[in-house]
Amino acid sequence: DAGVTQSPTHLIKTRGQHVTLRCSPISGHKSVSWYQQVLGQGPQFIFQYYEKEERGRGNFPDRFSARQFPNYSSELNVNALLLGDSALYLCASSGRTYEQYFGPGTRLTVT
Amino acid sequence: QKEVEQDPGPLSVPEGAIVSLNCTYSNSAFQYFMWYRQYSRKGPELLMYTYSSGNKEDGRFTAQVDKSSKYISLFIRDSQPSDSATYLCAMREGAGNKLTFGGGTRVLVKP
Repeated sequence: DAGVTQSPTHLIKTRGQHVTLRCSPISGHKSVSWYQQVLGQGPQFIFQYYEKEERGRGNFPDRFSARQFPNYSSELNVNALLLGDSALYLCASSGRTYEQYFGPGTRLTVT
Repeated sequence: QKEVEQDPGPLSVPEGAIVSLNCTYSNSAFQYFMWYRQYSRKGPELLMYTYSSGNKEDGRFTAQVDKSSKYISLFIRDSQPSDSATYLCAMREGAGNKLTFGGGTRVLVKP
């Protein structure tokens, strides 16, 4: 079975731009969570979605938003990019056992 | 003070040695505990998942949880160079809640 997939793998943006990151969960998983991992640190929780509804939000500014689609895939949007938004963005999906499985991540570089 | 503390390392051991990793936490509401392995520029891979105090063994890996001391450990027996990675502890309050991560410990197993 395919694991969690994320796209794109890597992208470079300029300060002030907008970015959209995409995630497809493991087949059968209905919950998707997003995390930000700055180099040298552990992942920080951004959002959790279950059945298209937001179930949790971390301590991130309103420039960060997300949504989940009927097929349980998800998008993370970040507006007005700052240099400090440069990080690895991870998507995790979970099913009935609540164990979270991570995708390979999208590496965002803001210049 | 961070909710989850983890020594960043690096921890260098010879091949075949036992690797000992640990995390301390301050939130007594944490009930579920996980260990993830993360290779450079990759997403975290779930290694162990526990929800009660005591030991859990899976192959070369043993996870220990001591809720009274707010302390968890991961032991890797017969370590191999392929075990060289960053190991992240993670925990959460409820079954479907967000994960709170430690900062990760970098491990290097030398042939």
